[in-house]
Amino acid sequence: DAGVTQSPTHLIKTRGQQVTLRCSPISGHKSVSWYQQVLGQGPQFIFQYYEKEERGRGNFPDRFSARQFPNYSSELNVNALLLGDSALYLCASSLGSGQGNGQPQHFGDGTRLSIL
Amino acid sequence: AQSVTQLGSHVSVSEGALVLLRCNYSSSVPPYLFWYVQYPNQGLQLLLKYTTGATLVKGINGFEAEFKKSETSFHLTKPSAHMSDAAEYFCAVSALSGNTPLVFGKGTRLSVIA
Repeated sequence: DAGVTQSPTHLIKTRGQQVTLRCSPISGHKSVSWYQQVLGQGPQFIFQYYEKEERGRGNFPDRFSARQFPNYSSELNVNALLLGDSALYLCASSLGSGQGNGQPQHFGDGTRLSIL
Repeated sequence: AQSVTQLGSHVSVSEGALVLLRCNYSSSVPPYLFWYVQYPNQGLQLLLKYTTGATLVKGINGFEAEFKKSETSFHLTKPSAHMSDAAEYFCAVSALSGNTPLVFGKGTRLSVIA
């Protein structure tokens, strides 16, 4: 079975631009979460979606938004890009609705976003 | 709020030696605990998890971890390091209920010396 797939793998943008990152979860997984991993740090939670509804949001500005589609794929949008948005953006999928049910999250290989 | 502390940002061991990566968590109640590994230019791969039951958890690639409530620790070990174990390792915690997200430590980079 295919794992979590993310596109694109790499992206270069300039300050002020907007970007959309895409994620397809493992077949059968209804929950998708997004994380930002800055170089040298652990992943930081951005959003979780389940059944197209937002179930959690991390401490990120409103420039960050996301949505989940009926096929459970998801998009992460970031507006007005800043240099500090340069990071690896990871998508993870899991069974079940909540992250507090002990079901592990399965991660994609991420999208490397570079802001010039 | 939950938090995770990984002691040592970089650990270096000789091939065949014991691997010990330390993780301490802060939580009002025993949480779910996870270890993930990240190879260069890849996402995170689950090594093992602790939810309930046996406190010694065995994972993939010969790794195991022991949940010690009294010490709020979940250290990762492997009896004999292999060159292929060189990677970044992350400890993570989530609450037992609700929609709390995974909270990760800052990671420990493991180097294996031939």
